[in-house]
Order: sequence, then structure tokens, then C-alpha cells
Amino acid sequence: EAGVAQSPRYKIIEKRQSVAFWCNPISGHATLYWYQQILGQGPKLLIQFQNNGVVDDSQLPKDRFSAERLKGVDSTLKIQPAKLEDSAVYLCASSFGWGGSNTYEQYFGPGTRLTVT
Amino acid sequence: EDKVVQSPLSLVVHEGDTVTLNCSYEVTNFRSLLWYKQEKKAPTFLFMLTSSGIEKKSGRLSSILDKKELFSILNITATQTGDSAIYLCAGGKYNFNKFYFGSGTKLNVKP
Repeated sequence: EAGVAQSPRYKIIEKRQSVAFWCNPISGHATLYWYQQILGQGPKLLIQFQNNGVVDDSQLPKDRFSAERLKGVDSTLKIQPAKLEDSAVYLCASSFGWGGSNTYEQYFGPGTRLTVT
Repeated sequence: EDKVVQSPLSLVVHEGDTVTLNCSYEVTNFRSLLWYKQEKKAPTFLFMLTSSGIEKKSGRLSSILDKKELFSILNITATQTGDSAIYLCAGGKYNFNKFYFGSGTKLNVKP
């Protein structure tokens, strides 16, 4: 089966510019996650979608970050305006389900490496 | 506050050695623990553990969960240079399939 797709793979922008990342999850996966991974750290959850609804966005800096998942499939994450500290790898992941007594593995995309200068 | 702590932060071994990576967690409504291997790209799924004391095994890798002491270990036997990577663990909650990641253990296997 095809994996999680992300684009672009790399992006270099200047501070105060805007940037957008795209993610296409594994077919049939209802849950989609965006993580930020700063060098030397583990992934930090930014936002979690269940279909096209937001489950958790408590760690999303909403003054500059936004995300949407229209139609419950693809998702975009936007940063506007970018700051130097936003330099990181942005990982998208998906899982089959999200709730109840079951637990589901997450599968990650290749990530987008963002450098803000 | 939910958190996951991994140790050691980094490890250097020689091919053929056996290594044990540690992961302790404090996650409310804990449901599962996941292990991933991360090379120069996205984390690759290794194991999901939900029950205490039941070892999961895949080739030279194995892992076990202790829900009483709130930790998990990942063992790699007969290490190879291809095992060099960052190993991440993540604690998951009931109901929301939300995961908290540790900072990872960077393993370097020398020939």
C-alpha cells in the first residue's frame, strides 16, 4: 500500500515569509497528525484531525500556524509569518482510527525540512 | 503533564554487541507504547505494546512493557551498522490515539 505522502521535501524561506506544507495520508486512514521535530528532539504534536474535524490543536501556535483537512483526506499546514525558531522537520502521520478501546499505529511521511533564515 | 523520557541519549557500540534502550513514561489514561526507528527520514514503526510482560519480537529486535513500573525496553542483539539510527518511543492515550514522544536514543554501531 502507498505510504503517507508529503511535499515539498525541503523549503528555505526568510523570516516573516509564509510557507505551506501538504500531506496525503494512507488511503482509508481517518486520523491525520502534524508534528514538528526540532533537531535533537522527538516529534511534538501540533494538530490532530479525525476525518475533517480537529481532535487536538492545543500545541499549535495559532497566531502563526493554521491547518485544515478539507474533505477529510489531504491536509495543509501553513505558517505565516515564519520565525527563525520554526526551523524544523514537519512530519505528517496517519492512523486508521482514533478512539474507543482500540489503539492504532501511526505511519509517518518523509517530512518537510524547513529552514528559516 | 504527560511526558516520555528515554535513556541513554546516545550510545556507541561495536557490531555484534547487544544493546538495551530504555523508555519511561508518565501518560494519563495510558493505553499503548510505540517504538520507532528514525534514520535520515521519517520514523519507521517497529512495535506497539499494550500489555504488560508480553515480549514482542522481530528478528534481532525485541521489546517489552512494564505497566506497573511505567517503562519499556527495546533490545537489539547482534547489532549491525544498519541498526545505527535514532530510536523513538511514544506513549499513547486511551480514546484519542494521541502520542507523546521521547527525545530519542541515538545509536551508533561501529564496524
